[in-house]
Amino acid sequence: GQNIDQPTEMTATEGAIVQINCTYQTSGFNGLFWYQQHAGEAPTFLSYNVLDGLEEKGRFSSFLSRSKGYSYLLLKELQMKDSASYLCAAMDSNYQLIWGAGTKLIIKP
Amino acid sequence: GAVVSQHPSRVICKSGTSVKIECRSLDFQATTMFWYRQFPKQSLMLMATSNEGSKATYEQGVEKDKFLINHASLTLSTLTVTSAHPEDSSFYICSARFGGESYEQYFGPGTRLTVT
Repeated sequence: GQNIDQPTEMTATEGAIVQINCTYQTSGFNGLFWYQQHAGEAPTFLSYNVLDGLEEKGRFSSFLSRSKGYSYLLLKELQMKDSASYLCAAMDSNYQLIWGAGTKLIIKP
Repeated sequence: GAVVSQHPSRVICKSGTSVKIECRSLDFQATTMFWYRQFPKQSLMLMATSNEGSKATYEQGVEKDKFLINHASLTLSTLTVTSAHPEDSSFYICSARFGGESYEQYFGPGTRLTVT
């Protein structure tokens, strides 16, 4: 079956760095997405990886290893506004997104 | 970036009534629109996928007669929850995709439905 695993919750300190991991098993693979979702709001797009390697976009970076079925989202210089849930989603061979349950990130001052 | 709107943002209705939720792509033509529901502290659950001018494809376990989806144009899709019950109370979110080589989904702000 198809499955996405990511930690349920993580805590980090303002100004620090945090890495949120995601492993996936899908029928075929057409890329991996990371979305940010604040409580009571819809998800917003952060990144899309389809090739192995690291994609950097400002304070956020996303990494993909297709052979390992593994991705991570790296957040640097954490700010209080980064407190949110981070959703990992893998696209299968039918271009459907398989969603993880999300990682709730709590930032402490 | 692409903007997707959703209306209404919140709705409270009585059990047995029907509620229509609209999803519009404001500055692009969406070949495909998706409808999700999300319960508190849970991930997004895909309900159905709709392409303009064709019938929606529903996920397993989603009642097509209860959740009516109409994708009348490249910028508008509607979800109607018919004969709503309290267990239908949830956060409903739509998303839209350009099509072609772009697979990113742009999400609407969501609709909080409460059935009393």
